[in-house]
Amino acid sequence: QQQVKQSPQSLIVQKGGISIINCAYENTAFDYFPWYQQFPGKGPALLIAIRPDVSEKKEGRFTISFNKSAKQFSLHIMDSQPGDSATYFCAASIGVYKLSFGAGTTVTVRA
Amino acid sequence: DAGVIQSPRHEVTEMGQEVTLRCKPISGHNSLFWYRQTMMRGLELLIYFNNNVPIDDSGMPEDRFSAKMPNASFSTLKIQPSEPRDSAVYFCASSSQLLISSYNEQFFGPGTRLTVL
Repeated sequence: QQQVKQSPQSLIVQKGGISIINCAYENTAFDYFPWYQQFPGKGPALLIAIRPDVSEKKEGRFTISFNKSAKQFSLHIMDSQPGDSATYFCAASIGVYKLSFGAGTTVTVRA
Repeated sequence: DAGVIQSPRHEVTEMGQEVTLRCKPISGHNSLFWYRQTMMRGLELLIYFNNNVPIDDSGMPEDRFSAKMPNASFSTLKIQPSEPRDSAVYFCASSSQLLISSYNEQFFGPGTRLTVL
């Protein structure tokens, strides 16, 4: 069973809009929460990551919001661009290596 | 930097045949990971090597799967005999984990798309 539940499965947003992807986990021992971006035919690439001692992290147009008490975290893509069209995976791990990935969200940005 | 290199990029084989997937990690990285990606199960970690030693192979689905890392610049994932349900995209990733408590980015290769007929 997946240890990290991700939603929605897919979303369509207009250029300039906001894309929001949500993830939830059960294991309170998770201490590292990265988001990966994957383009068709490519491997996933780290986009942004957060640790549970921080409630928000922003890098450019991408923001992670983390709610430790609710065991949820989300990715916000501001001012979405057609080049952001990709599949996004949330993940969680205990320690340095064993990432558990969500099922992925396919984001389509319409021009 | 060339990034993680995987070969072949595509492999089509028949059920029962042996399949070998290859990976060259980023130079200087001391950790290597093999993942499998399918629509049904998503991205799954199969095995993790640190300094060429297998640390965690709990994700290897069954004895038909084996992985080796004879040196710091090469790893193989072998399936023998292959079955149609092994059809998936197999990714290799590497990272530099100098400290046990460090959270170092895993760099993924382009993947090998395996189709078993």
